[in-house]
Amino acid sequence: GEDVEQSLFLSVREGDSSVINCTYTDSSSTYLYWYKQEPGAGLQLLTYIFSNMDMKQDQRLTVLLNKKDKHLSLRIADTQTGDSAIYFCAERSIGGTYKYIFGTGTRLKVLA
Amino acid sequence: DAGVTQSPTHLIKTRGQQVTLRCSPKSGHDTVSWYQQALGQGPQFIFQYYEEEERQRGNFPDRFSGHQFPNYSSELNVNALLLGDSALYLCASSLYVSGNQPQHFGDGTRLSIL
Repeated sequence: GEDVEQSLFLSVREGDSSVINCTYTDSSSTYLYWYKQEPGAGLQLLTYIFSNMDMKQDQRLTVLLNKKDKHLSLRIADTQTGDSAIYFCAERSIGGTYKYIFGTGTRLKVLA
Repeated sequence: DAGVTQSPTHLIKTRGQQVTLRCSPKSGHDTVSWYQQALGQGPQFIFQYYEEEERQRGNFPDRFSGHQFPNYSSELNVNALLLGDSALYLCASSLYVSGNQPQHFGDGTRLSIL
């Protein structure tokens, strides 16, 4: 079945790089997304990647996809205190379904 | 360019009552999806509306129903509220024909059941 897993917590020092990991189970062609959620707010789209890509870079964000292992990562360069939030990985299967399957989220804490 | 807007922001109800939550999609979007996010969890898909019809439904009981209006806005209705319905309800909009464009989310309605 469909499932997305993430580690629950990550703590980094300001200025360091953060790497948030995600694994998914759906083997069909899919889109994969990263969303950020700050306290009391909704989900902010950060970036997304299609499963025929290996990497996507957008300013401080780099997404790496290992399709063989169904592993997705989000790297945040030069992490700032404003990056402290919960990060959700989500997948969407192509082929008749438009629902997103979300992981439980990774809480990133950036230490000054 | 207005993003996805939801109302109300917060709502308190008691068990057995009924509630209606509202969503206006991002300008240019025609599809609305609803998600339930329990505390400490990721969002769970409830259903999706396009062309005023429910196109896909997640694993939620019939107490959860919805509607989409000709202007693409949408309502989520929950009947016979249970304590377990306490959650953040998120609305997301997208463009149906553009399958590779991501969903954009609103800030949600936080529903508390007493």
